[in-house]
Amino acid sequence: GAVVSQHPSRVICKSGTSVKIECRSLDFQATTMFWYRQFPKKSLMLMATSNEGSKATYEQGVEKDKFLINHASLTLSTLTVTSAHPEDSSFYICSAKAPDNEQFFGPGTRLTVL
Amino acid sequence: GNSVTQMEGPVTLSEEAFLTINCTYTATGYPSLFWYVQYPGEGLQLLLKATKADDKGSNKGFEATYRKETTSFHLEKGSVQVSDSAVYFCALSSGTYKYIFGTGTRLKVLA
Repeated sequence: GAVVSQHPSRVICKSGTSVKIECRSLDFQATTMFWYRQFPKKSLMLMATSNEGSKATYEQGVEKDKFLINHASLTLSTLTVTSAHPEDSSFYICSAKAPDNEQFFGPGTRLTVL
Repeated sequence: GNSVTQMEGPVTLSEEAFLTINCTYTATGYPSLFWYVQYPGEGLQLLLKATKADDKGSNKGFEATYRKETTSFHLEKGSVQVSDSAVYFCALSSGTYKYIFGTGTRLKVLA
């Protein structure tokens, strides 16, 4: 099946720094990608919809200046957590919508902010 | 708005026991329904899906039937294995392709 990768798989950073997470669709072009956040032992919460060549659409309550999303190509979307704080520590998962509308999920990135 | 409700876990079963994880949904229109599985430290893997009423999704011995009359998509497996231990998420997708996930049900299978 289709593969979606995320990089890095784990990142630890100091409070106040910014962290960039990449999401790539390896064998198909994705005009739409989604970013989710998963809290420990909780479900996935949709943060935003990333559209190639246009601005991301953020869900209610998600700070767009805090979580910057760039979908610069048909195979790459990036999520940048700006001025990260300990409460931003979480598991971030992306998904990519294939041309047949099926979605494929990345393996996730665990962010720990010290 | 759309929502998915899953039974709370954890569910602990002995190997070869019968598994049911309940899932009900609220949605306008005719959503597609999914079950995803998440193994420790990993992302989500699609387990099965159904796109219209009365469809039955099946994979690796797991089954779920899209019941519009009861707005349910319960996951079943006749005989679980230790390797099935994971967290299972029920989800729906509407015309916008956004996924709404349930809270997840942790399954632990004992040898």
